[in-house]
Amino acid sequence: DAMVIQNPRYQVTQFGKPVTLSCSQTLNHNVMYWYQQKSSQAPKLLFHYYDKDFNNEADTPDNFQSRRPNTSFCFLDIRSPGLGDAAMYLCATSTPGQGGEKLFFGSGTQLSVL
Amino acid sequence: GENVEQHPSTLSVQEGDSAVIKCTYSDSASNYFPWYKQELGKRPQLIIDIRSNVGEKKDQRIAVTLNKTAKHFSLHITETQPEDSAVYFCAASRQGNQFYFGTGTSLTVIP
Repeated sequence: DAMVIQNPRYQVTQFGKPVTLSCSQTLNHNVMYWYQQKSSQAPKLLFHYYDKDFNNEADTPDNFQSRRPNTSFCFLDIRSPGLGDAAMYLCATSTPGQGGEKLFFGSGTQLSVL
Repeated sequence: GENVEQHPSTLSVQEGDSAVIKCTYSDSASNYFPWYKQELGKRPQLIIDIRSNVGEKKDQRIAVTLNKTAKHFSLHITETQPEDSAVYFCAASRQGNQFYFGTGTSLTVIP
């Protein structure tokens, strides 16, 4: 009964080779987020979609992009991965307001860059 | 965006003692403050949360306090157990839209 599903669980890519991480949700939540978490650090918000509205954090590198083709799916595209992009990427969802603020995380995708 | 600071970064306590973790936030419009526990290699799990219209909330051994005026909130764990060992993150959110995390506290409970 997983509610926020991320695939794959582990992803290995080569330096400079584009990679796409995927996230899907069965909660019908309005907001979907992508966080980057490096070892021993806090999750860092990259961007989020509020319905179809895309919101980029000011310090998110241009190398990172996202797509949300429908309510259920969201993708993180890394155009030219560098060694510094190796991290856990966490997808999360929420429904703002009406007491439904809770953030639901997926299991994450651990990205390695060789 | 919001800036959330968290202290201490590491905390060791004896089993049965209490642990306190403190966070401050910068955006006065933030009104929802969750706490997450993360074990190695796993997703963050929500353990307790508090909204800005409440000063304190308790759930068994875990409690959270909020001081809106000072813009700080704290996590209190009483009667700590070895299974409480993990990394704890605080977060701040405005209306459940955009969540910003503190830097984390690595808690070790010594048996």
